[in-house]
Amino acid sequence: AQKITQTQPGMFVQEKEAVTLDCTYDTSDPSYGLFWYKQPSSGEMIFLIYQGSYDQQNATEGRYSLNFQKARKSANLVISASQLGDSAMYFCAMFRSGNTPLVFGKGTRLSVIA
Amino acid sequence: EAGVTQFPSHSVIEKGQTVTLRCDPISGHDNLYWYRRVMGKEIKFLLHFVKESKQDESGMPNNRFLAERTGGTYSTLKVQPAELEDSGVYFCASSTSGSQPQHFGDGTRLSIL
Repeated sequence: AQKITQTQPGMFVQEKEAVTLDCTYDTSDPSYGLFWYKQPSSGEMIFLIYQGSYDQQNATEGRYSLNFQKARKSANLVISASQLGDSAMYFCAMFRSGNTPLVFGKGTRLSVIA
Repeated sequence: EAGVTQFPSHSVIEKGQTVTLRCDPISGHDNLYWYRRVMGKEIKFLLHFVKESKQDESGMPNNRFLAERTGGTYSTLKVQPAELEDSGVYFCASSTSGSQPQHFGDGTRLSIL
């Protein structure tokens, strides 16, 4: 069975600083994908970044990058130059290959301080 | 391109009543998923449609939940009769294929009194 673990229920970061949100996963499937979603207080789920298990390079999307360490089964999200608008819940999720449903972690609440 | 839309955004009903949630996926997305987040817990998968067919409904909690996807377009999730433990936020997501990100709607916040 697949499992996602996010060990940080809450994180604080100073505006303009970088922050790393931890995510570890457990799966026996050789092919899988990892996602990060952001959920602001308004409630919508916003896709941020994706990493495939066979991707050679770490994914990057603007200020978001994914520190993918396959041997350690970790897929940490790095947000550079934090902004006040980054304050939100962040969910790590994974799926097996194919059109399978996502398995989510419990989420990390990030608060950016001015 | 319109995103995934869910209706209603909020619903408050009494225990024993019936509620129907609706999801309109992004046009052209064959895959449609329902998820639920109960207060303080993880987002949990409920079921998955590929076009009009139920691909996986292993996450449906019990037979009080009925999901349909007429003609492979929009989907409805009916809860009948609603119980207190059904309260939570119900998310719908759609995607073109498994390797593409699932795009989520804003969710329906369901409160059972």
